[in-house]
Amino acid sequence: AQSVTQLDSQVPVFEEAPVELRCNYSSSVSVYLFWYVQYPNQGLQLLLKYLSGSTLVKGINGFEAEFNKSQTSFHLRKPSVHISDTAEYFCAVYNQGGKLIFGQGTELSVKP
Amino acid sequence: EAGVAQSPRYKIIEKRQSVAFWCNPISGHATLYWYQQILGQGPKLLIQFQNNGVVDDSQLPKDRFSAERLKGVDSTLKIQPAKLEDSAVYLCASSPRGTGGEAFFGQGTRLTVV
Repeated sequence: AQSVTQLDSQVPVFEEAPVELRCNYSSSVSVYLFWYVQYPNQGLQLLLKYLSGSTLVKGINGFEAEFNKSQTSFHLRKPSVHISDTAEYFCAVYNQGGKLIFGQGTELSVKP
Repeated sequence: EAGVAQSPRYKIIEKRQSVAFWCNPISGHATLYWYQQILGQGPKLLIQFQNNGVVDDSQLPKDRFSAERLKGVDSTLKIQPAKLEDSAVYLCASSPRGTGGEAFFGQGTRLTVV
């Protein structure tokens, strides 16, 4: 069965520091990959997506992610975080079977 | 473009009562999802519709949960009877064809069962 593993449940970081949120997936077929952000009491908002092409994907709010097929990873990065980036981040995978499956989430906490 | 609408935003019920949630997806989106998000966890897919047909309901507790999507547009999710462990946020999302699964989410309904 397809699964998504987010390796860190909580990531505390100071403002203006770089951050990486890690995501690994398991799938024997081609997949599409997504990162979503969820602010308190809100629904999920798409940050970025990988469908094909360049393995480095840029998204909103200065985030980017790199698709690594050999390592089945899709880690999210930002070179300098802001207080406003404090939120829950979810990695998701969509396969040819048509299901969108989410990881458990990583809580990013940016401190001044 | 209007987003995915869900109602109500909040609901508190006693165990063994019934409850229904409503979702209006983005116009023209063929796929509609219902997810359950328990506090501190990622969204868990309950049911997926393609137009008005069910694509996947393998994780829907069918003894108490039901869902329908009439005319391939609006959808309702019902729980009857509710249990304490059903306390969660219920998220509805929709997706157009040809976008590789990109889903647009509503704000969710927070259910508390007491």
